[in-house]
Amino acid sequence: GNSVTQMEGPVTLSEEAFLTINCTYTATGYPSLFWYVQYPGEGLQLLLKATKADDKGSNKGFEATYRKETTSFHLEKGSVQVSDSAVYFCALSDKIQGAQKLVFGQGTRLTINP
Amino acid sequence: NAGVMQNPRHLVRRRGQEARLRCSPMKGHSHVYWYRQLPEEGLKFMVYLQKENIIDESGMPKERFSAEFPKEGPSILRIQQVVRGDSAAYFCASSPIGASHEQYFGPGTRLTVT
Repeated sequence: GNSVTQMEGPVTLSEEAFLTINCTYTATGYPSLFWYVQYPGEGLQLLLKATKADDKGSNKGFEATYRKETTSFHLEKGSVQVSDSAVYFCALSDKIQGAQKLVFGQGTRLTINP
Repeated sequence: NAGVMQNPRHLVRRRGQEARLRCSPMKGHSHVYWYRQLPEEGLKFMVYLQKENIIDESGMPKERFSAEFPKEGPSILRIQQVVRGDSAAYFCASSPIGASHEQYFGPGTRLTVT
């Protein structure tokens, strides 16, 4: 079945550092790919998405490019802030009877130190 | 426009009791999804419902768990005779017709079984 593998955490960086969180996937067909962010005690928020190969999703300084040839969707940010501390989940959509269920990676906890 | 609402936010049950988790989707959304997040893990799909129909329950444990989405009122996830292993965060997401890849998550219900 479809699956998502994320870089293991936790990841700790200093403010203004460059961030990469790796995500690779296994899927039949061409799923949409997503990054969700979860702040402490809250639900998931959609951070960005890409629906086809070579698409780049971007939001709040974060970017990820849908790479079909390497089956990857790595999350990057050029300069992180303390407020970016959260758990980040990579996910893909898996079609079920006309709708999509999400298949999530295990999450990567990111801590940014001032 | 209110987001996805879940209640209660925190629920404590003793082993053997029943847990009822409620989810009100965003206005205009007719698809509801339930996911479970075990500690330090990613979210796992449980069930997908439309009004008065269960479309896919492939992620639901075969016993003790049930879900409904009646014509009127919220979606309910029901866990009978809870056990310690049911302790987790349960998230509901909703999506509009025709855009099922866009799932909006509620804040979750954190169930603790003592």
